[in-house]
Amino acid sequence: EPEVTQTPSHQVTQMGQEVILRCVPISNHLYFYWYRQILGQKVEFLVSFYNNEISEKSEIFDDQFSVERPDGSNFTLKIRSTKLEDSAMYFCASRPTSVQETQYFGPGTRLLVL
Amino acid sequence: KNQVEQSPQSLIILEGKNCTLQCNYTVSPFSNLRWYKQDTGRGPVSLTIMTFSENTKSNGRYTATLDADTKQSSLHITASQLSDSASYICVVSAGTGANNLFFGTGTRLTVIP
Repeated sequence: EPEVTQTPSHQVTQMGQEVILRCVPISNHLYFYWYRQILGQKVEFLVSFYNNEISEKSEIFDDQFSVERPDGSNFTLKIRSTKLEDSAMYFCASRPTSVQETQYFGPGTRLLVL
Repeated sequence: KNQVEQSPQSLIILEGKNCTLQCNYTVSPFSNLRWYKQDTGRGPVSLTIMTFSENTKSNGRYTATLDADTKQSSLHITASQLSDSASYICVVSAGTGANNLFFGTGTRLTVIP
């Protein structure tokens, strides 16, 4: 069964550094998402992406964040100048088409900012 | 304020027993409600999705109910297995768009032999 994959599974970085989290959505899916989950807290929506542009973003997704689909398969989340509070699990998700269809989540990247 | 509250926060049950997890929401307008299973260190996996007109939906040993009048949902797990140990997250949609998804904090279920 097709799956969303994410790399790396874990990332440790120094405060102020830039990180790029990578996702490969399911191949025939058209909508892509990033979420984060701070340890012990709820999953929070960051951004959605469709047709090579951001379709929605939350208040969390400020100028520190950017997303890109550099080729036909990868979907990346870049965090510039990381802060301690960026430490979280970051999930990528994708879905095929209509709004009622379920999002498929990747296994996540655990980011630790020191 | 749009919120999703789940109870209990955590639950320990013996293998083979049944259990019921609760989800109360104040999300409006209501589009649909989903239950996800999240294994430790993994992404959420969809179990069920229910719209306004659906009262019950089953997926194997998982049965979700929805009362749109009282804004409550439950997830019933029958004949629990050790592999059911996970967090179960209730997610309510207020319409189109990912910005309209509201996540609960989840119930952490532990099934012991």
